Amino acid sequence: GQNIDQPTEMTATEGAIVQINCTYQTSGFNGLFWYQQHAGEAPTFLSYNVLDGLEEKGRFSSFLSRSKGYSYLLLKELQMKDSASYLCALHSGNTPLVFGKGTRLSVIA
Amino acid sequence: DTAVSQTPKYLVTQMGNDKSIKCEQNLGHDTMYWYKQDSKKFLKIMFSYNNKELIINETVPNRFSPKSPDKAHLNLHINSLELGDSAVYFCASSHLQGSYGYTFGSGTRLTVV
Repeated sequence: GQNIDQPTEMTATEGAIVQINCTYQTSGFNGLFWYQQHAGEAPTFLSYNVLDGLEEKGRFSSFLSRSKGYSYLLLKELQMKDSASYLCALHSGNTPLVFGKGTRLSVIA
Repeated sequence: DTAVSQTPKYLVTQMGNDKSIKCEQNLGHDTMYWYKQDSKKFLKIMFSYNNKELIINETVPNRFSPKSPDKAHLNLHINSLELGDSAVYFCASSHLQGSYGYTFGSGTRLTVV
């Protein structure tokens, strides 16, 4: 089976940096996705990590360690609009994406 | 040019009714999905379909059935609606195996009263 764990809620200050962690257990690992979901909206793609290491995309970066079953999403220069849920999702074999329960991030002034 | 479109956006109905939610994608993807997001915001897979294979999550009641008239459409039909079916239902699509990610529709908020 698959198991994904991420914190339920986090709060950070505008302009700061926040790291959202995701740990997982699975067999047949292909890669790991991060999605952003604003309240009342659809999830939107942020990143996909297949190999170990850091992938940087503007203010957002995502890291993967396959041996440790660990990923994190790093958000820099936080803005109020970054307040949303961040979903970690496992891509394994030919099965549909399995999502974690999401981390609700609140950015405060 | 909406990539994945679902209708209706909101659906309020009584227990025991039968309802359908429609989904269409214009991305040329070959695989479509239905996810259910409950009140705790947990996204759970219900079905995936790629014209050759239907994968059903075994926890989904057989009152739920996907119907695909062609590879651009995957509709969700629900019989004998129950209070616990209230949730947001998201349609998504991807290329086979999903390595390029999924594109989600805007969701259908179903309320059963």
